[in-house]
Parts: sequence; C-alpha cells; structure tokens
Amino acid sequence: RKEVEQDPGPFNVPEGATVAFNCTYSNSASQSFFWYRQDCRKEPKLLMSVYSSGNEDGRFTAQLNRASQYISLLIRDSKLSDSATYLCVVGPFNTGTASKLTFGTGTRLQVTL
Amino acid sequence: NAGVTQTPKFQVLKTGQSMTLQCAQDMNHEYMSWYRQDPGMGLRLIHYSVGAGITDQGEVPNGYNVSRSTTEDFPLRLLSAAPSQTSVYFCASSNPGLTYSPLHFGNGTRLTVT
Repeated sequence: RKEVEQDPGPFNVPEGATVAFNCTYSNSASQSFFWYRQDCRKEPKLLMSVYSSGNEDGRFTAQLNRASQYISLLIRDSKLSDSATYLCVVGPFNTGTASKLTFGTGTRLQVTL
Repeated sequence: NAGVTQTPKFQVLKTGQSMTLQCAQDMNHEYMSWYRQDPGMGLRLIHYSVGAGITDQGEVPNGYNVSRSTTEDFPLRLLSAAPSQTSVYFCASSNPGLTYSPLHFGNGTRLTVT
C-alpha cells in the first residue's frame, strides 16, 4: 500500500458545483497534513494546512479523519480557475521541518462551463 | 522579494554529461530541498539541507550531489546524466521554526537526458 494515496481523476465538474477529494495515508503516526495545488507545468503551491478540528478558507474546507486515516478537501461553488491538480501531503511531525513529507500523486480537477 | 529562483528552466543533456541545477532563495529560510517529479509518482525528495554546511540524503539521492555553502544557495549536481534522470526538478525552501511552515517551490527545471 502506498504511503499516501489519491484518486488521480480527472474529476470533471461544471462551474458552480461542489466537489470533494479524499486522500488516505498509511502511517498512523502522521501529524501534519497539507493540500497543495499544482497548475499544469507549474510548481506546487500551498493551498491549505489541515488541522485536527478541520478548517475552512473561503470556498475550501479541509477535514482530517484520524480513525480512518484520510484527509479530505471540499471545494464549493467551483470556478474555472480551480482547474488544477491537488496534491495531498502528509508528514510525521507537527513542525515546519519538511524532510519527511510524503506527497501523493495528485487528483486532477477540471471545471467546465 | 523573488522567493525561490531556479535555473535553468529547460535543459537537454546527453548520457554521461554533468551539469548543475541552481537554486537560490531570498527568504532567509534554513531548510532547502530538491525534489523530482515523474508522471504517476508523487514528488520524491532527492537531497535536503537544514542549514548552511549541512546536507542529507532523501529518498532518491543516487546520481546527485548537493552542497550548502550559504543559506541562500543550494545547487544540485548531476555527476553523469542517465536517461532515468529525465524529470522535472523542483527546489523548495521553508522555515522550520514555524509550525505548518509551507514549502515554497521554485518554478522547476525540465531536464531531458538522451
């Protein structure tokens, strides 16, 4: 089993739709969780960190389920500009040291008119 | 404030050639790292550094060397290029003193080895 698994997609959704992605992780000791966004042929950029209690940033909501070992990303009112690949990132420590981060392969989202 | 700057953006090498990928950051970040990204695989850590003069191996270090003589610069050297090193390379930096400190990536180097 991969350390971090994501459905590669693509998820094709119409503008205005709500879409959710899940990411499962195998290491139960994982402590830090992130969602990064990567546009085609560009570098990854942090979308949001995922906190234990869940957190929201505008149209984006991230949740952590430790019992089932997955994190989720919900995007409401999808925009064309949300089209990108969303990378799930998991780490063992609740710190900024990034040497042990594990990246998922990404879920591709395509928002259409 | 340029962030993380990588050069070159594109490079084609013949098997056996050597080259250095440059990476510089102006955010005074202690932590810097190199990743490669291949289709169907997540970003994989090649080498990383937690400060000037300190480097360590990541998941896929073979065929690559790094050095960290200053806080700002973290070059990646390919000693003898092989077709298996065809990939997109990203340099990243972060501030390890902050909880949930994000990685700041450079805009990547697309390397093809023929």
